[in-house]
Amino acid sequence: EVQLVESGGGLVQPGRSLKLSCVASGFTFSNYGMNWIRQAPGKGLEWVAYISSGSSYIYYAETVKGRFTISRDNAKNTLYLQMTSLRSEDTALYYCARAPHMDAWGQGASVTVSS
Amino acid sequence: DIQMTQSPSSMSASLGDRVTITCRASQDIGNYLSWFQQKPGKSPRRMIYGATNLAAGVPSRFSGSRSGSDYSLTISSLESEDMAIYYCLQSIQYPWTFGGGTKLELK
Repeated sequence: EVQLVESGGGLVQPGRSLKLSCVASGFTFSNYGMNWIRQAPGKGLEWVAYISSGSSYIYYAETVKGRFTISRDNAKNTLYLQMTSLRSEDTALYYCARAPHMDAWGQGASVTVSS
Repeated sequence: DIQMTQSPSSMSASLGDRVTITCRASQDIGNYLSWFQQKPGKSPRRMIYGATNLAAGVPSRFSGSRSGSDYSLTISSLESEDMAIYYCLQSIQYPWTFGGGTKLELK
């Protein structure tokens, strides 16, 4: 069974950093690109970042470019999202999802940016 | 960036109704269009990919179609378990963009 499990969320002050993880199981993680998608409370879905299977291709939404870094460790079957200079508008549930068609999603990690 | 204009933003329908939700792309996206269903407190679930392909395990009452730059998700006979928010997504060009969502409620 394909499974994605996010962790690392929490309450953080504006301007601080946080790192999310997404552990994959049930498939060959190194064969798939991965995405981060977020959903602010009561709002719609927003694509955040993509990383190809071998980390050669990386793309970001403009809203996070320069502040967030997506990475992966294929030996550990783990996807990461390093978030710096966090703002209140980054408050959201962060999902990892398997590319290319987002056929598998995690349960989400909650990030709250507030003083 | 490619804009995905989804309509309606909300709708109510009766059990057994035929329901159609539409997304219009601001640029050519070919068939790089997916539909997702999200129920309260749950992660999104892929329903349709490649504009018309039914994802594994999705009931056959769901279908996807394309007419030019308009993409539609149709539920042929609405069931109570279909009450949810539906999103379209274009994946031809980064940044990938979602439609604003359609909240489907029971009349």
